[in-house]
Amino acid sequence: NAGVTQTPKFQVLKTGQSMTLQCAQDMNHEYMSWYRQDPGMGLRLIHYSVGAGITDQGEVPNGYNVSRSTTEDFPLRLLSAAPSQTSVYFCASSYDAGTISTGELFFGEGSRLTVL
Amino acid sequence: QKEVEQDPGPLSVPEGAIVSLNCTYSNSAFQYFMWYRQYSRKGPELLMYTYSSGNKEDGRFTAQVDKSSKYISLFIRDSQPSDSATYLCAMKGNKLVFGAGTILRVKS
Repeated sequence: NAGVTQTPKFQVLKTGQSMTLQCAQDMNHEYMSWYRQDPGMGLRLIHYSVGAGITDQGEVPNGYNVSRSTTEDFPLRLLSAAPSQTSVYFCASSYDAGTISTGELFFGEGSRLTVL
Repeated sequence: QKEVEQDPGPLSVPEGAIVSLNCTYSNSAFQYFMWYRQYSRKGPELLMYTYSSGNKEDGRFTAQVDKSSKYISLFIRDSQPSDSATYLCAMKGNKLVFGAGTILRVKS
């Protein structure tokens, strides 16, 4: 059971480039989300999805797009990378509305992005 | 002012010590309180969660919530070098909010 898998683990981009961070889970979780983690700040929610075909914005959505065509996958797209998007990105999932209502999340190992 | 405040540390203790990690918060709507553990270069993993006020014990770990003071704590008894990690508090009302984390180092 792999859990939540993120790729790539490391990426360096130049300002203005675009890329996609991949996230896949094999736990049949309905809820999936993307967070960014920056020094001195808590995890901040970028986008989330409560099921296939449904996405919504979190706290810091600007500059990012998501889609959810299947239950398993939830890619995060950076449209035009900026140095302010240098961060560690985490994908997290939860079984359903019940467990997300209590804040129980399963995290991937993270994708470390540097934008020059 | 942040909704959740957490001392970043690092907190350095000898093996076997009792560790106390704390968070304060300002939002009275928080009902679920969680502690996540994050090892270096890894994702957070849920350690414990409690609902409303009171204590919850799991092995060497005890989570305590004092809603009247808006204060939560995680106690680790007989701390081990393997407990060295960053500990994130998190709270849920109508949204989930994470603290910035406290770095714990347990020295053997």
